[in-house]
Amino acid sequence: AQKVTQAQTEISVVEKEDVTLDCVYETRDTTYYLFWYKQPPSGELVFLIRRNSFDEQNEISGRYSWNFQKSTSSFNFTITASQVVDSAVYFCALSEPQGGSEKLVFGKGTKLTVNP
Amino acid sequence: DTEVTQTPKHLVMGMTNKKSLKCEQHMGHRAMYWYKQKAKKPPELMFVYSYEKLSINESVPSRFSPECPNSSLLNLHLHALQPEDSALYLCASTTGSVVKTEAFFGQGTRLTVV
Repeated sequence: AQKVTQAQTEISVVEKEDVTLDCVYETRDTTYYLFWYKQPPSGELVFLIRRNSFDEQNEISGRYSWNFQKSTSSFNFTITASQVVDSAVYFCALSEPQGGSEKLVFGKGTKLTVNP
Repeated sequence: DTEVTQTPKHLVMGMTNKKSLKCEQHMGHRAMYWYKQKAKKPPELMFVYSYEKLSINESVPSRFSPECPNSSLLNLHLHALQPEDSALYLCASTTGSVVKTEAFFGQGTRLTVV
């Protein structure tokens, strides 16, 4: 069965610090998709990034960067120069494609608190 | 329009009540989902509709009854719920095609069963 592990339950940093959120996944599929979502206190899940299993290029988007390593089954997320607005719960997720629909398997989430 | 709209945002219901949660998207997505999220837990899939047909039911109790009247709407009918059903209910949609994209989520309905 597919599984996503986010070992860090809670992280607290001071503004402007860099922080890395870890994600390790398990799957027997050769084709799969990995995602990161942000969930602020308001509740909605905000999409941050999608990566397919054939694309191991790391990605940078502003202060966010992602490191995908198939050899270690990891898909880590780094926030550079963190800001208070980054405070949220961050979920890593793995997609199980089932025909035209997809089932997202989420990790337990990492609650990030950025203090001023 | 990249929004998934859920109503109501908050709902308090008694164990004998019948209520419905609504979800709407106008992105032309053909797969729609209900997820349940308990406090401090990740979302868990309940149902998937693909092209208006129920394609996945994750062994959800029959007191939850999904309905997809058309490709833009998804309902979740609630009847005789238990206090442990109190949670955030999230609706999501994806394109439903072989071209995989991210799921777009609504803001959720916070349900309290008393």
